[in-house]
Amino acid sequence: DAMVIQNPRYQVTQFGKPVTLSCSQTLNHNVMYWYQQKSSQAPKLLFHYYDKDFNNEADTPDNFQSRRPNTSFCFLDIRSPGLGDAAMYLCATSSRPGQGATDTQYFGPGTRLTVL
Amino acid sequence: GEDVEQSLFLSVREGDSSVINCTYTDSSSTYLYWYKQEPGAGLQLLTYIFSNMDMKQDQRLTVLLNKKDKHLSLRIADTQTGDSAIYFCAVALYNTDKLIFGTGTRLQVFP
Repeated sequence: DAMVIQNPRYQVTQFGKPVTLSCSQTLNHNVMYWYQQKSSQAPKLLFHYYDKDFNNEADTPDNFQSRRPNTSFCFLDIRSPGLGDAAMYLCATSSRPGQGATDTQYFGPGTRLTVL
Repeated sequence: GEDVEQSLFLSVREGDSSVINCTYTDSSSTYLYWYKQEPGAGLQLLTYIFSNMDMKQDQRLTVLLNKKDKHLSLRIADTQTGDSAIYFCAVALYNTDKLIFGTGTRLQVFP
């Protein structure tokens, strides 16, 4: 089945130790998103790629970076995790055919990050 | 900017109908979505409605859209314990790639 896959599902890291979360998709969508979600709050958009164009949200800390080496994969790098970065990280994909609105966003199962 | 509001909690008896409400501020919305999130899981797309529609029905789910009042609702008929989750409404704005999420409504279904 076509889907959005996130690995690992659970990640434990130490304070200040870099960590990378990965997302892959078989939907061939050209837009990929990373969200941070804390304690059943609404997901907060960190950044997204439209093809190779990177779009950072204004309030995303510099500690968070992303890479998209090809259509299928997108990575979230946290350079120096703090205790406040413990959260669920959600990847999503959608299709934007051109001008106008982007199509529906489909979410992966998320990666729960714990910072010790 | 766009603001999307939901009530935080809803508690219903199994077998009753649930109605979850959402209000939004931006009239340039295109699609409006309902997502379901179970504990520890990602967001599952339940249904969506295009902004030029008033109603959409999909099995036990009915979405109503009142564009004049900028009000969206999700009705779940014959609510089951498996429907217990957090429900997020989300609004897509024209010519952006982004969704604006509501605060989420926690639905609790009791026997």
